[in-house]
Amino acid sequence: GEDVEQSLFLSVREGDSSVINCTYTDSSSTYLYWYKQEPGAGLQLLTYIFSNMDMKQDQRLTVLLNKKDKHLSLRIADTQTGDSAIYFCAEYVPGGGNKLTFGTGTQLKVEL
Amino acid sequence: NAGVTQTPKFRVLKTGQSMTLLCAQDMNHEYMYWYRQDPGMGLRLIHYSVGEGTTAKGEVPDGYNVSRLKKQNFLLGLESAAPSQTSVYFCASRKGNQPQHFGDGTRLSIL
Repeated sequence: GEDVEQSLFLSVREGDSSVINCTYTDSSSTYLYWYKQEPGAGLQLLTYIFSNMDMKQDQRLTVLLNKKDKHLSLRIADTQTGDSAIYFCAEYVPGGGNKLTFGTGTQLKVEL
Repeated sequence: NAGVTQTPKFRVLKTGQSMTLLCAQDMNHEYMYWYRQDPGMGLRLIHYSVGEGTTAKGEVPDGYNVSRLKKQNFLLGLESAAPSQTSVYFCASRKGNQPQHFGDGTRLSIL
C-alpha cells in the first residue's frame, strides 16, 4: 500500500540550509514530487525526481532519493524568509487513475 | 492560459445545505482530482476522473458526489453539508504522467 510520512515542523535560521525528509512505502513509485504551499494559496510544484535517479539539483534545491530505504529529502540552500511555507512530498504510482499520494506536509519556519 | 480555476474561493454553509464546487482547467488535461486539506493530515483524495464522463472514488468519498460532463470541468457536490466537511478543497489536473497542477483552493465552513 501507499503511505507517505513527513515530520510536521522544521525551524531554521535565515541563511542556513534546510533539509526536509520524507519516507514512502510503495517501491513501485516512478516519480516523487515536492510541492510548496504558501499561506492561503494552492500547491506549487517545486521539483520532482524520477525513481531511477539518486539526486537532482535545481538552483538552491537539491533532491536526494534513497530507493533502498524509500527515503526522499529536499535540501534548500541559503534559506530565506520567503521559503517559509508548507512542503509536501508526494509519490506517483502508475495506474488506477494516476493518483498522487501526499505526505502530511512539513511546516518550514525561517527565523531571522 | 488560466490553468486550474476553482469557484467559489470562500463559502459558509449551514448544516444540511447543499452546494457545488466548480473546477475548470484550460490545459486539455485528461485527469482531474478533488482533495480536501485538513491540519496535520495533508491532502486526502475525495474523487477523481480519468476522462470526460468517468469518475471514481478516492480515499474519503463519503458525503460527496462528482460529475465530469465536460472534459474541462469537474464538479464536487455536497448534498447535505456536515460540520465535518469544513475544510479547504483543492482541485488538480494532469496530463498523462506529468505533474499535477493545482487550483488555489476553496475554503468551506459548515456551521
